[in-house]
Amino acid sequence: LAKTTQPISMDSYEGQEVNITCSHNNIATNDYITWYQQFPSQGPRFIIQGYKTKVTNEVASLFIPADRKSSTLSLPRVSLSDTAVYYCLVVIYSSASKIIFGSGTRLSIRP
Amino acid sequence: GAVVSQHPSWVICKSGTSVKIECRSLDFQATTMFWYRQFPKQSLMLMATSNEGSKATYEQGVEKDKFLINHASLTLSTLTVTSAHPEDSSFYICSARETGDLTDTQYFGPGTRLTVL
Repeated sequence: LAKTTQPISMDSYEGQEVNITCSHNNIATNDYITWYQQFPSQGPRFIIQGYKTKVTNEVASLFIPADRKSSTLSLPRVSLSDTAVYYCLVVIYSSASKIIFGSGTRLSIRP
Repeated sequence: GAVVSQHPSWVICKSGTSVKIECRSLDFQATTMFWYRQFPKQSLMLMATSNEGSKATYEQGVEKDKFLINHASLTLSTLTVTSAHPEDSSFYICSARETGDLTDTQYFGPGTRLTVL
């Protein structure tokens, strides 16, 4: 299982773009990168998943360089409600492989 | 995205009793479900992998006789905490794996807060 490293915490302000970078040096060929968001006393919520280059959906973008050893979750124009813990995970696609959570990044958005 | 539910959302029980938590995938079938436990200010810890129609696979250090897992159908997995004690108080979260031609994603339930008195 590829290990991920991400900052413990980040602070930003409403309306700003926030980029959270995750390092996964040991990522394997069949691994996908997935990001989850978790609010206190709730289960993690799926944000975005990608394999290479760039993926965008209605809430975020995911940038993955060619070597795939890192990835960046980009949250455009954050609001107070984006304050949460964000987890970067590497998962083998089409496998019963389990997800092991790292410590995540605690994002705090200020007014 | 796909929806996973858990029931109950919270439960308080006396020490020595057993508690059952249900995890359901509401709009998709899941051959694999997972159970996690989360303590305050900590990350999720995987407890076991639940496979429909077969025995669960437990992580190291998780007592299989204490945390009974049953995955009897493609939409339901249950976790029973037997003879619960105060140290079992925690937030229990399940996830269900949705697979398809272009998808392979785990979706999480809202969690169950267990308090053992």
